[in-house]
Amino acid sequence: AQTVTQSQPEMSVQEAETVTLSCTYDTSENNYYLFWYKQPPSRQMILVIRQEAYKQQNATENRFSVNFQKAAKSFSLKISDSQLGDTAMYFCAFIQIQGAQKLVFGQGTRLTINP
Amino acid sequence: ETGVTQSPTHLIKTRGQQVTLRCSSQSGHNTVSWYQQALGQGPQFIFQYYREEENGRGNFPPRFSGLQFPNYSSELNVNALELDDSALYLCASRGGGASYNEQFFGPGTRLTVL
Repeated sequence: AQTVTQSQPEMSVQEAETVTLSCTYDTSENNYYLFWYKQPPSRQMILVIRQEAYKQQNATENRFSVNFQKAAKSFSLKISDSQLGDTAMYFCAFIQIQGAQKLVFGQGTRLTINP
Repeated sequence: ETGVTQSPTHLIKTRGQQVTLRCSSQSGHNTVSWYQQALGQGPQFIFQYYREEENGRGNFPPRFSGLQFPNYSSELNVNALELDDSALYLCASRGGGASYNEQFFGPGTRLTVL
């Protein structure tokens, strides 16, 4: 069974700083996707960034980038120039390509950006 | 393009009752998944429907059941409610093509069981 682990329950940084959220996962699959989702107090789960396991190049989306280490099964999220609107719960998630396509989520990291 | 919508927003039930939660998929999406998110936890997969058939299920008892309709909207039914069923229930839809593995979530239904 796949598992996703986020070892940082809470993090807090000042506005404009850079912050990195950690995620490790366990799977015997070779073909899968990894995601970071953001869940603000409004509860809506919003996709931040995704990474295909077959791609060696790390994904980037504006201020958000990942460090994907397939051999180590590590998938961290870096937020540059953090903004107050980045305050939210962040979930790392895994999905295998074959089968039911269910998302497996980590426990989440509560990120607070302070003014 | 209309996003994923869910109803109701909040719901309060008592133990032993039955509840139905509803989800409208994003336009053009034929696959719907349901997740249960307990307070302070990550979402847990309940089941998935593709073209009106259940094609995957997580570790949830049979009193959690669902339906998908020809317009791809979906229902989650929970019978014999227990206190531990109190959670945020999220619906997610996805389509084919380039967005095959990208799921779009609704705002959720907060269920409280007393």
